[in-house]
Amino acid sequence: QVQLEQSGAEVKKPGASVKVSCKISGYKFISFGIAWVRQAPGQGLEWMGWISAFDGSTSFAQRLQGRVTMTTDTSTSTAYMELRSLESDDTAVYYCARRRAYSGYADLAYFDHWGQGTLVTVSS
Amino acid sequence: QSVLTQPPSVVAAPGQKVTISCSGSSSNIGSSRVSWYQQIPGTAPKLLIYDNNKRPSGIPDRFSGSKSGTSATLDITGLQTGDEADYYCASWDTRLSAVVFGGRTRLTVL
Repeated sequence: QVQLEQSGAEVKKPGASVKVSCKISGYKFISFGIAWVRQAPGQGLEWMGWISAFDGSTSFAQRLQGRVTMTTDTSTSTAYMELRSLESDDTAVYYCARRRAYSGYADLAYFDHWGQGTLVTVSS
Repeated sequence: QSVLTQPPSVVAAPGQKVTISCSGSSSNIGSSRVSWYQQIPGTAPKLLIYDNNKRPSGIPDRFSGSKSGTSATLDITGLQTGDEADYYCASWDTRLSAVVFGGRTRLTVL
């Protein structure tokens, strides 16, 4: 079955960077994109961006542009999300999710399988 | 302030029907497709509805979605205590070039 297994919780100081991994199993990795969604404590879901596992093309939320990088390693079927210059507002659970694009559309998509989440705490 | 507007909470009794609304605009719901997610606190979100009204395999037909103009709704019939969760709608926004989620709707079944 489809599984997305994320790396463990992280504690970082303000200004540092964090890199979260998402290892995929149960399907052909390059067939679907991977999206990243975060959720601050007690808050709703926030889309961060996505990456095509096929060609590495990316799309990011404007407010994170310049601070976020998304990459994939097809040899290990793993996706990565790195967030730099961390602030306390970046404290959140970070989820990866498999992105399913609607047929004929590049941007319209939904997320049908999710990782378990990775808690990133930013604190001095 | 979320781009898509949902009621913060709904309450209903077991066995009843509840409707959760999601209001957007011409740049998102009006020109895109809506998906719905269920999140039991402490767990990852789960896809309930995609393409406005389609259910993934394994989602019971008690859950149904619809879209009209710039709004969408999620209906849940035959409510069960296990349906207590947070529900989110989502859509692509062509003006923001981003996926936008609704604010959380917390469903209480009592």
